Amino acid sequence: QKEVEQNSGPLSVPEGAIASLNCTYSDRGSQSFFWYRQYSGKSPELIMFIYSNGDKEDGRFTAQLNKASQYVSLLIRDSQPSDSATYLCAPTGGGNKLTFGTGTQLKVEL
Amino acid sequence: DAGITQSPRHKVTETGTPVTLRCHQTENHRYMYWYRQDPGHGLRLIHYSYGVKDTDKGEVSDGYSVSRSKTEDFLLTLESATSSQTSVYFCAISERQFDEQYFGPGTRLTVT
Repeated sequence: QKEVEQNSGPLSVPEGAIASLNCTYSDRGSQSFFWYRQYSGKSPELIMFIYSNGDKEDGRFTAQLNKASQYVSLLIRDSQPSDSATYLCAPTGGGNKLTFGTGTQLKVEL
Repeated sequence: DAGITQSPRHKVTETGTPVTLRCHQTENHRYMYWYRQDPGHGLRLIHYSYGVKDTDKGEVSDGYSVSRSKTEDFLLTLESATSSQTSVYFCAISERQFDEQYFGPGTRLTVT
């Protein structure tokens, strides 16, 4: 079992819809969870982080965390074509390390 | 970008040659990291540093060494490059342990 699992996609949503990106992780000791966005040919860019169970909202983005189920998700409301990118989930693991998923490719269609 | 530069940005080298990649930060962050990114594998940690002259291995450290003689610079060396080391290399920094990490622009390395 991979330490961090994400559906590779592509996930296609129409403009204006809600995109839901999911991530499961295996390390029950993970305390912090980060979502990065990566455009093709560019470096990862931090968009959200969450530490506590529940929801955290920042503009059009909502991160949801359920530690009991070892599940973290990212919702993007009112999806825009500029949201088309690969989204990487990264929980902290043992020591001072992030463990990255392979990412979900999101395509927002006009 | 959070004051992180990488050099060179692109490099083509031959098998068996040594290669050094440089990461430079202006944020005075304590932690620095080297990752490689390959299709199907995502980002994998090579080495990281938690202070000047303090480094540790990541999950894919074989064939790589690092050095950090100043807070702002973190060097990644491939002692004898192999084709399997063809990849995109990213440097990242963070201020504290378990903090969010910020990434540099990346270096595309091709070993022929």
